[in-house]
Amino acid sequence: GENVEQHPSTLSVQEGDSAVIKCTYSDSASNYFPWYKQELGKRPQLIIDIRSNVGEKKDQRIAVTLNKTAKHFSLHITETQPEDSAVYFCAASGRLTDKLIFGTGTRLQVFP
Amino acid sequence: DSGVTQTPKHLITATGQRVTLRCSPRSGDLSVYWYQQSLDQGLQFLIQYYNGEERAKGNILERFSAQQFPDLHSELNLSSLELGDSALYFCASSVAIAGGNTGELFFGEGSRLTVL
Repeated sequence: GENVEQHPSTLSVQEGDSAVIKCTYSDSASNYFPWYKQELGKRPQLIIDIRSNVGEKKDQRIAVTLNKTAKHFSLHITETQPEDSAVYFCAASGRLTDKLIFGTGTRLQVFP
Repeated sequence: DSGVTQTPKHLITATGQRVTLRCSPRSGDLSVYWYQQSLDQGLQFLIQYYNGEERAKGNILERFSAQQFPDLHSELNLSSLELGDSALYFCASSVAIAGGNTGELFFGEGSRLTVL
């Protein structure tokens, strides 16, 4: 079945450093790869997404890269700030449907 | 505010009981998704409806059922509740263009279910 693996499960960085979270997906038909941020006690919110016809997308301090051959995509956060501390989820669309399968999440802590 | 409304926000009940969680999607969104998030866990996909019809099914237990009504609101019914069903249940909606073109999911604030 469809599966999304996400690593690492926890990540601690110093303020100003970069953070990288990696995901792999199993379904080669997946064509949409969003990243969601969930702050403590809050709902998940989309921060960036990428479609399978694009290799890289950037929005200010965050960027996502996609390697379709390897079925691998990554989130890059540069110049991290304490407010970046949250749980980040990657996701991939399902085969022939628009459901999203989420990874297990990465708890990012940014220390001042 | 995402525009997705979930009720109730909190619910405490006993094992063996049945509860109904309700979701109103954003205006214009035809697709509704239900996800389960247990403590410190990820988002487990349960089920998706599109314009009143079931579109995709995930790891939803037989004790759970859902439906989407003509006005597009959705309900998730959980029966014969067990301690392990305690979780945060999220509803999300999207425009969901037909043909598998996924768009952004907008999540509600969730319904926190505690089974004692």
